Amino acid sequence: GNSVTQMEGPVTLSEEAFLTINCTYTATGYPSLFWYVQYPGEGLQLLLKATKADDKGSNKGFEATYRKETTSFHLEKGSVQVSDSAVYFCALIASSRRNEKLTFGTGTRLTIIP
Amino acid sequence: DAGVIQSPRHEVTEMGQEVTLRCKPISGHNSLFWYRQTMMRGLELLIYFNNNVPIDDSGMPEDRFSAKMPNASFSTLKIQPSEPRDSAVYFCASSSGISGMKETQYFGPGTRLLVL
Repeated sequence: GNSVTQMEGPVTLSEEAFLTINCTYTATGYPSLFWYVQYPGEGLQLLLKATKADDKGSNKGFEATYRKETTSFHLEKGSVQVSDSAVYFCALIASSRRNEKLTFGTGTRLTIIP
Repeated sequence: DAGVIQSPRHEVTEMGQEVTLRCKPISGHNSLFWYRQTMMRGLELLIYFNNNVPIDDSGMPEDRFSAKMPNASFSTLKIQPSEPRDSAVYFCASSSGISGMKETQYFGPGTRLLVL
């Protein structure tokens, strides 16, 4: 079946540090890949997505590249801010019509300290 | 647009009581999803509607849970009778397009349910 594995949290960084949150996946075919972010007390919001190999999704200074050879979609940001503190979820949708559920990772809690 | 609207935002009830959660999707969206989030199990898809028809309810925990979508602008998730283990945050999400799950999902703010 499809699955998403993301790095265990919590992750604590100082402001302006470089961020990487690892995400690897298992899926049949060519899935679409997503990063969602959940700020405290809110629902999930789409942060970025990529729908085919070598695509790079980007938004708000965050980037992730769809790497089919390593089945990865790592999230990166060059300089984090306190406002980036949130829980980040990697997710995929398999290409097969018979298995179209959005599969989420367990989430990684990120805390940025001033 | 107001986004996905959920009510109530918080619900505290006693074991055995009926709980009804409500969702209004974004206007024009034809897919609606109910999720449950807990610390232990993370985010779980409970049920998925497309054009008001339930497509996949395999995530519904048991017969105590039921969901309806009587029209394109309203859905309910009902728990009867409720149990303490149902305590969680319940999210509703909606998306547009014929691809359903492949489209970006827009989440509501969630309903935080506590069953005593």
